[in-house]
Amino acid sequence: GNSVTQMEGPVTLSEEAFLTINCTYTATGYPSLFWYVQYPGEGLQLLLKATKADDKGSNKGFEATYRKETTSFHLEKGSVQVSDSAVYFCALNYTGANSKLTFGKGITLSVRP
Amino acid sequence: EPEVTQTPSHQVTQMGQEVILRCVPISNHLYFYWYRQILGQKVEFLVSFYNNEISEKSEIFDDQFSVERPDGSNFTLKIRSTKLEDSAMYFCASSYDYSNQPQHFGDGTRLSIL
Repeated sequence: GNSVTQMEGPVTLSEEAFLTINCTYTATGYPSLFWYVQYPGEGLQLLLKATKADDKGSNKGFEATYRKETTSFHLEKGSVQVSDSAVYFCALNYTGANSKLTFGKGITLSVRP
Repeated sequence: EPEVTQTPSHQVTQMGQEVILRCVPISNHLYFYWYRQILGQKVEFLVSFYNNEISEKSEIFDDQFSVERPDGSNFTLKIRSTKLEDSAMYFCASSYDYSNQPQHFGDGTRLSIL
């Protein structure tokens, strides 16, 4: 079946540090890939997405590129802020009537001033 | 920006009792979902719902679970006889269609079974 694997956390960085959060997936065909973010006390918010190989999703300074050859969708940001502290989830689904999301375990990012 | 609204934010229930979790999806959305996250584990799909019927359900969604859209705005998840292992955060989501439109999530209901 489909699965998403995220690097183990938590991750603690200083403000303005470079961020990479690894995500790899196992799936047949061509899924769409997503990063969701959960800020403290809030629900899951879509951060960015990519729907086909070599697509780059970007939002709020975050980027991720859909790499079919390595089945990866790593999240990067050049300079993190304290306000980026949250839990980050990688996920996939397929276009179709039963488009359930399959999530990774999530990773907690803490950014200190 | 339109939001998915879930109530209550926290529900405490005795084991064996019935519980209903409520969701108001975004008004023009057509596809509705429930997910859950047991503490420290992955967010797991429970069920999807379209056109007043279940589209897909996971192995978790057994006979103790049911979903309903009783009117034009609410989408509910009922657990008939709760078990300790039902304790989790339950998320409702909705989307406009099933193509590339993303799912929008509510803030979740934390269900605690005593």
